[in-house]
Amino acid sequence: NAGVTQTPKFQVLKTGQSMTLQCAQDMNHEYMSWYRQDPGMGLRLIHYSVGAGITDQGEVPNGYNVSRSTTEDFPLRLLSAAPSQTSVYFCASSYSTPRGVHSYEQYFGPGTRLTVT
Amino acid sequence: GENVEQHPSTLSVQEGDSAVIKCTYSDSASNYFPWYKQELGKGPQLIIDIRSNVGEKKDQRIAVTLNKTAKHFSLHITETQPEDSAVYFCAASTYSGAGSYQLTFGKGTKLSVIP
Repeated sequence: NAGVTQTPKFQVLKTGQSMTLQCAQDMNHEYMSWYRQDPGMGLRLIHYSVGAGITDQGEVPNGYNVSRSTTEDFPLRLLSAAPSQTSVYFCASSYSTPRGVHSYEQYFGPGTRLTVT
Repeated sequence: GENVEQHPSTLSVQEGDSAVIKCTYSDSASNYFPWYKQELGKGPQLIIDIRSNVGEKKDQRIAVTLNKTAKHFSLHITETQPEDSAVYFCAASTYSGAGSYQLTFGKGTKLSVIP
C-alpha cells in the first residue's frame, strides 16, 4: 500500500490564483480530512468527509472547497489564494466510526508546502 | 468546541533521561486521545493513543496517562534516545454522530534529546 499520497510537494502561487491540492489513499478508508499547519499553531482542521458524497467543515474552512466523488480521492481547492493561506497542508485518512464507536487512528500524508506571494 | 492546551512548547533532555509532555482539554465529551510524532519534513505519525475508558497505556519506552476528572493527559518517554528528537502533538477527539468526529490538536512540543 502507498498509504496517503499528496501532490504537489511544493507550490508557489500568486495572490488571486486558484489551485487544487490532491490527496489519495489506497487503504479503503471512509474518513478523510484536510489540516493546515502553521508555526506555533499545531494542526487545524479545514474540511473532512465521512464517505463519498459527504463533506463537512472543520475549524478553518473559509477560502477552501472540497468534494468527495470517490472513496480514494479528496482534493482541496483554493478558490482565490491569499497570503494568509501560506502553510503546510496535510491530508489524513482513517476508518469511519460506526455509531457509538471511538475514533480510529488517522494516517497522514507527507504534506504540501504552499507559499502565496 | 474543544480546546487543547499543550506544555511545554520546547523541551531539552539528556540522552537516557525521561521526558514528560502534558495536555489539557476542555470538552468532557472527548473520548479518544492520540499522540503524534512529527519529524522534520514529514507528516505526523501516531505513536500511542488512549481511550476514555482507560487510565494508562504503555508501549515499550512510551506511556500515556489520562485523568478524565481533571481533563488532562500526559506522554511519558523513558530512556530517551537522539532519535526521539521531534515535535510531538497531543490531540483530543469528539464523536459528533453519523460516523463523524473531529480531532483537535495541541500546538506541539519540540523535544531535543542531547547526546
